[in-house]
Amino acid sequence: QVQLVESGGGVVQPGGSLRLSCAASGFTFSSYAMHWVRQAPGKGLEWVAFIRSDGSDKHYADSVKGRFTISRDNSKNTLDLQMNSLRAEDQAVYHCAKLGSPGITAAGGFDYWGQGTLVTVAS
Amino acid sequence: QSALTQPASVSGSPGQSVTISCTGTSSDVGGFSYVSWFQHHPGKAPKLMIYDVSKRPSGVSNRFSGSKSGNTASLTISGLQAEDEADYSCSSFTSSSTWVFGGGTKLTVL
Repeated sequence: QVQLVESGGGVVQPGGSLRLSCAASGFTFSSYAMHWVRQAPGKGLEWVAFIRSDGSDKHYADSVKGRFTISRDNSKNTLDLQMNSLRAEDQAVYHCAKLGSPGITAAGGFDYWGQGTLVTVAS
Repeated sequence: QSALTQPASVSGSPGQSVTISCTGTSSDVGGFSYVSWFQHHPGKAPKLMIYDVSKRPSGVSNRFSGSKSGNTASLTISGLQAEDEADYSCSSFTSSSTWVFGGGTKLTVL
């Protein structure tokens, strides 16, 4: 069965950096685009970043552009999110999510999600 | 990248139907057939309920249905059950090749 397990969350000071990882299993990781989605305390879901199945195309929310970098290693079935210059408003549970349809498409929705990893930004 | 607009809360009695709206623009909801709906409970991973406007993943009850008209998508839950009480969020692909979520709707089963 499909499993997505995030790790790397923790407490970081404003301006600091953190690297999140997502370990994927149960599907052909290299065939699917992946996303990071976050949810701040008491707030709704916020889309953060997208990476195409082969890593050749990446897109970011305006709120994180220039500070966050999404990457993947298809040989290790892992997805990463490097977060720099962290701000209080970045504090959230970060989920990795799989796009439902393979290949170059936006179809299929986010069909599987990890449980999330908590990032706390505080001095 | 403005969030899609959803009502903060909706409610209904067991057996009734409720509809949750999700309003965007012609650059997202109105421009693409890539609207999804998610059910989520605090502390748990969101669950995909509807994708590509009206398609239902295997295992999701046929009491859940999706539709779209212009810039507004809708999720309808028929035959409301206590277990349906949760938060529901919509998402859409956008013309900027990004995705956007709605603010979420809390469904209360009375």
